[in-house]
Amino acid sequence: AQSVTQLDSQVPVFEEAPVELRCNYSSSVSVYLFWYVQYPNQGLQLLLKYLSGSTLVKGINGFEAEFNKSQTSVHLRKPSVHISDTAEYFCAVSGGGNEKLTFGTGTRLTIIP
Amino acid sequence: GAVVSQHPSWVICKSGTSVKIECRSLDFQATTMFWYRQFPKQSLMLMATSNEGSKATYEQGVEKDKFLINHASLTLSTLTVTSAHPEDSSFYICSAPGTRTTITGELFFGEGSRLTVL
Repeated sequence: AQSVTQLDSQVPVFEEAPVELRCNYSSSVSVYLFWYVQYPNQGLQLLLKYLSGSTLVKGINGFEAEFNKSQTSVHLRKPSVHISDTAEYFCAVSGGGNEKLTFGTGTRLTIIP
Repeated sequence: GAVVSQHPSWVICKSGTSVKIECRSLDFQATTMFWYRQFPKQSLMLMATSNEGSKATYEQGVEKDKFLINHASLTLSTLTVTSAHPEDSSFYICSAPGTRTTITGELFFGEGSRLTVL
């Protein structure tokens, strides 16, 4: 069984400041890790995914994440946020194949002008 | 990338009526689709796995007679909320694994359908 913990439910950040959204997971098997973004009243869009290889993964919109196997974490970062980054961010884990995704509870990122 | 589309995006209905939500894979075939429910300010909860040509697999606690799922073709799955009540009001989202990504677990999501039951 897998579980995902997003440590912050809400993160307010000033525009152009850096941000880190934290995510820890637990699993008894190797996993694939994902970050999704959800804008208001929309479905989820994939930001980035970690499948294997380099532990630093670059995604869309300037986001990146570092996979830390020893700490079972995959924190999402952006060096300078924009108003348009205001959204809900979900961390998710999958065992691969057609296995279902397990989502965290989400982190609401609010950008302060 | 693969595109998944839902319809309708918004629906308001009276208590006791049934509502059908469609989920289509526009540029790929999906033998499997997933239906999620999202309450305000909460995460996505998997309701059921829709399998083309066979019965859906429901998660524990989800009433299969209330949430009817039909996956009649490789590009269409439908969720019907039968005899809807106000507590069924929610945001319903479908997703499907793209054909080239089934080994990765990545999903492509529809835009979601917001159901409000009066």
